[in-house]
Parts: sequence; C-alpha cells; structure tokens
Amino acid sequence: QSALTQPRSVSGSPGQSVTISCTGTSSDVGGYNYVSWYQQHPGKAPKLMIYDVTKRPSGVPDRFSGSKSGNTASLTISGLQAEDEADYYCYSYAGRYRVFGGGTKLTVL
Amino acid sequence: EVQLLESGGGLVQPGGSLRLSCAASGFTFSSYAMSWVRQAPGKGLEWVSIITNSGGSAYYADSVKGRFTISRDNSGSTLYLQMNSLRAEDTAVYYCAKHGDLGSYYFDYWGQGTLVTVSS
Repeated sequence: QSALTQPRSVSGSPGQSVTISCTGTSSDVGGYNYVSWYQQHPGKAPKLMIYDVTKRPSGVPDRFSGSKSGNTASLTISGLQAEDEADYYCYSYAGRYRVFGGGTKLTVL
Repeated sequence: EVQLLESGGGLVQPGGSLRLSCAASGFTFSSYAMSWVRQAPGKGLEWVSIITNSGGSAYYADSVKGRFTISRDNSGSTLYLQMNSLRAEDTAVYYCAKHGDLGSYYFDYWGQGTLVTVSS
C-alpha cells in the first residue's frame, strides 16, 4: 500500500494552466478507471473535484479536468484563480485497498 | 443537505482505546458505503477503512489492521470506528466520508473531522 506519487508543489500565475500528476502502478491507477481528485484548503475538509478519472461533480468549474495515461493520472486546472490555491490529493481504488497520493501544494503567484 | 458529524476524538495514552462516531443525515445512510480517512498534523490524507452499505464487508489499511474495527448502525444512521492499541502515529484528524453511488470508488461528502491525540 504505497502512497501514489505526486509532486510536492506546483505553481502558476492567474489565468495560466497547471497540471498535477499522480503516479501509481498497474495495481491501482493503471488497473482501474477509479481515480478521483480532492481539493483541501487549510483547516477544511477535502472536497471532491474529479471522479472516475475524468468526471466532474455538479458545481465544480469546468476549469478542472482529469485524464489518465498508463499508471499516471493528471489533474489540469486552467484559467488559474486565487481561490484555487490549496492542497490537491489524488486517490485510487486498488482492490481491497484504497490509496491516496502524498498531496501537492498549488501556489497561485 | 448531506451532513456528516464526527465525534469521540480526544487525548488518549499509548495502548489505550477510543471509539469514534459519525452521525449522518440528509441521505439514505443504508444505501452507501462509508469510509474513515485520517490526516496526521501537517501531513497528507491516509485511507483507513471502508464498510459496505449493508455492513457485510469491511477492509482496512495495513497500518490499522487488527487494531481498528469499522462498523455501522443503519437504523441510527451512524458510522463507528473502534480504535484499540493506539500508537503515537495514530495521532490525526479522522474524517468520515460518504461514498458515491453504489459501486463507486470516490468520496462525495466529508465530515469536518475529529482530532485524536495519542500521547502520554
């Protein structure tokens, strides 16, 4: 049950796009289309942003999109806004287990 | 409106026990799987355990297997986590999280969390 690998930090200026990667193995990310992404602001509970690799829940801006290639999933945020500054976590189904990524801190410059 | 309210956290000595509760409302509790997820201070999220909607099956992270037990009371819309043989590394905010539709593998609602501190 090793954590999925995410970059510790990414940054971008308002209006730009950033992509956060999430690398696992064929037993988790690569084996199922069940990757989800969560946004967490300091002191708050996580919020679902993307599920089943590419699907966006109602109320989440279409600036957020997800994709997957092999054992790596990605979250892309386009048209960065100040309120997007937060920690982002990927999460994958892995059979009897579930596993989160280590988290990525997004800084909006 | 979906609401998840955790309780039962607090300070406990190493080797001690604690029982967390999560009171659910705003949805048909018995129709959804539920999980516990924890976050150590300043650290990332860690999945702890999941229980199916009926309570018939449960799975655990290796880090808590044999020490923690997840359960649910569908008539009372409450999720539980019995934590025994607690260690310093179990110190964390514990969140309960509702899964999406049956057969889904994501969390669509989270509680605000309850802090468990294991220290002498």
